[in-house]
Amino acid sequence: VQLVESGGGLVQPGKSLKLSCSASGFTFSSYGMHWIRQAPGKGLDWVAYISSSSGTVYADAVKGRFTISRDNAKNTLYLQLNSLKSEDTAIYYCARRRTSRGYYVMDAWGQGASVTVSS
Amino acid sequence: DIVLTQSPALAVSLGQRATISCRASESVRSSMHWYQQKSGQQPKLLIYGASNLASGVPARFSGSGSGTDFTFTIDPVEADDIATYYCQQSRNDPLTFGSGTKLEIK
Repeated sequence: VQLVESGGGLVQPGKSLKLSCSASGFTFSSYGMHWIRQAPGKGLDWVAYISSSSGTVYADAVKGRFTISRDNAKNTLYLQLNSLKSEDTAIYYCARRRTSRGYYVMDAWGQGASVTVSS
Repeated sequence: DIVLTQSPALAVSLGQRATISCRASESVRSSMHWYQQKSGQQPKLLIYGASNLASGVPARFSGSGSGTDFTFTIDPVEADDIATYYCQQSRNDPLTFGSGTKLEIK
């Protein structure tokens, strides 16, 4: 199982950015996927989830500004970040959701993509 | 939202036992999971469902608890265990993490 994020960078407040997470080593279309972020020196903060059938859930802090999506043909997960704020500065991780003994866990994580929002 | 409270840091001698607690603001039943994050790396799942060891994780790691009070234990602690440990609940949306406990060696 491998997850590789890309698309991070430096962006001005109010601008947009699109992150990608390329998946390999498993049947991507069969799994729900998460985005989780970590601000510098801070803890983990769940951002969004997309199910295998493309149902979505968002954290309140990003609802209406971020959009999670997936392209199963390309084995790729996306996160569109719009109207970016300085508080969105973080490393963004994608993670696979797996069901283990009836529990929903994040059992595989990418290495992260760094997003810095600054003028 | 369910708030998970962890103590910020813990210092333990090599070969000794480390115990990290996580308290939930409301019951999460057994839907509590533990992750290890080493400096500069992505998190790694260690324990799921409060007490189940994830695949490939050494038996030195264990977890217990249910409802609102959970414990994560490393016994014995090895030098490679230096990391921050996070609890995470999957009982209710939004998914939430504890603030993390940094494990240090005395």
